[in-house]
Amino acid sequence: EVQLVQSGAEVKKPGESLKISCKGSGYSFTTYWIGWVRQMPGKGLEWMGIIYPGDSDTRYSPSFQGQVTISADKSINTAYLHWSSLKASDTATYYCARHEDTATGGDYWGQGTLVTVSS
Amino acid sequence: DIQMTQSPSSLSASVGDRVTITCRASQGISNFLAWYQQKPGNPPKLLIHATSTLQLGVPSRFSGSGSETDFTLTITSLQPEDVATYYCQKYSSGPTAFGQGTKVEIK
Repeated sequence: EVQLVQSGAEVKKPGESLKISCKGSGYSFTTYWIGWVRQMPGKGLEWMGIIYPGDSDTRYSPSFQGQVTISADKSINTAYLHWSSLKASDTATYYCARHEDTATGGDYWGQGTLVTVSS
Repeated sequence: DIQMTQSPSSLSASVGDRVTITCRASQGISNFLAWYQQKPGNPPKLLIHATSTLQLGVPSRFSGSGSETDFTLTITSLQPEDVATYYCQKYSSGPTAFGQGTKVEIK
């Protein structure tokens, strides 16, 4: 069974760093892309970027380029989303999703990670 | 960048009604369009990819059509379990983009 399991909810202060994770199982992790999507409270979906764990090829939405870092460790079937300095406006639920390639939709999704940034 | 515009932003219909949601791309995207269903507190669920290909397990009352700039998601007979927000997503060349969502409720 294909599963993407994300790390748990986080509460952080502005300026702190954070890395959340997305662990894949039940399929060949290195032959599918993993995308990240932001959903701010009560709002719609925003595509952040995507990574191919097989060779770490990474593409970012212009809106998120330089704001976050997407990475992957194929040895443990895990993708990451990292912030070096959080802002209150980063408060949102973040989802990872599996893509067959960059020209397909996300067919399996993680359960979401709620990140709350507040002083 | 290509923008995706969905309409309406919300709708209310009766059980059994035919429901249509439209998605317009600011430039042609061939058939590189997906539709998702999101229920409160849950991640999105892929319903349709490549404009009209139904994901396995998705009820046949859902269908998609269109090409280039104009796309449609149709629910032929609305059911109570279809209450959700629906998003289109383009994934052609350039950054992926979502529409702003359409909230579907039962009248």
